[in-house]
Amino acid sequence: DTGVSQDPRHKITKRGQNVTFRCDPISEHNRLYWYRQTLGQGPEFLTYFQNEAQLEKSRLLSDRFSAERPKGSFSTLEIQRTEQGDSAMYLCASSLGRQGWTDTQYFGPGTRLTVL
Amino acid sequence: DQQVKQNSPSLSVQEGRISILNCDYTNSMFDYFLWYKKYPAEGPTFLISISSIKDKNEDGRFTVFLNKSAKHLSLHIVPSQPGDSAVYFCAASVNSWGKLQFGAGTQVVVTP
Repeated sequence: DTGVSQDPRHKITKRGQNVTFRCDPISEHNRLYWYRQTLGQGPEFLTYFQNEAQLEKSRLLSDRFSAERPKGSFSTLEIQRTEQGDSAMYLCASSLGRQGWTDTQYFGPGTRLTVL
Repeated sequence: DQQVKQNSPSLSVQEGRISILNCDYTNSMFDYFLWYKKYPAEGPTFLISISSIKDKNEDGRFTVFLNKSAKHLSLHIVPSQPGDSAVYFCAASVNSWGKLQFGAGTQVVVTP
């Protein structure tokens, strides 16, 4: 069990550019979540997948954001036409996702995005 | 709408003493509660959780108490150690799974 991994750990980009982040969940974890954290706040939910199906998206996820989990394993989060307000820590979490059981989410180290 | 609140942004405690962190929630549908610890530039690390069918859960130095009628939970750390210095987040979910709602966190500093 190597834990949740995220790549890159840091990304600096110019306003208007597109960026893509990758998350590899713990193996055999069916659920994968994306959160965003800004300074002084707790993580805020963005979206989550059960296997390859995207089951819920937050209102925070504008149409510039898109997430995929094509084969039910790793996931990508893309932000198009980045804005300075997108600067944040993007966190990925995974869980077993067994219905009827309490479901603990385990987080990756995060990707720190800075938009200049 | 902040449904999970941690009203103390910081807590300073002496090494060896008890740390008590508090968390309040407003959504009565929450039935699974978790505490995470976070160091700078790292992701949150899961500490301990409690289901709404219980009022206490213990794991080593960490104990979580849940008071459903008051919509309040607390995390006790005994004894506090310097390595406990971090930001602690309270989180909650509905139906014991799904998206988590987090509080804003409490910065704990353990002094020698």
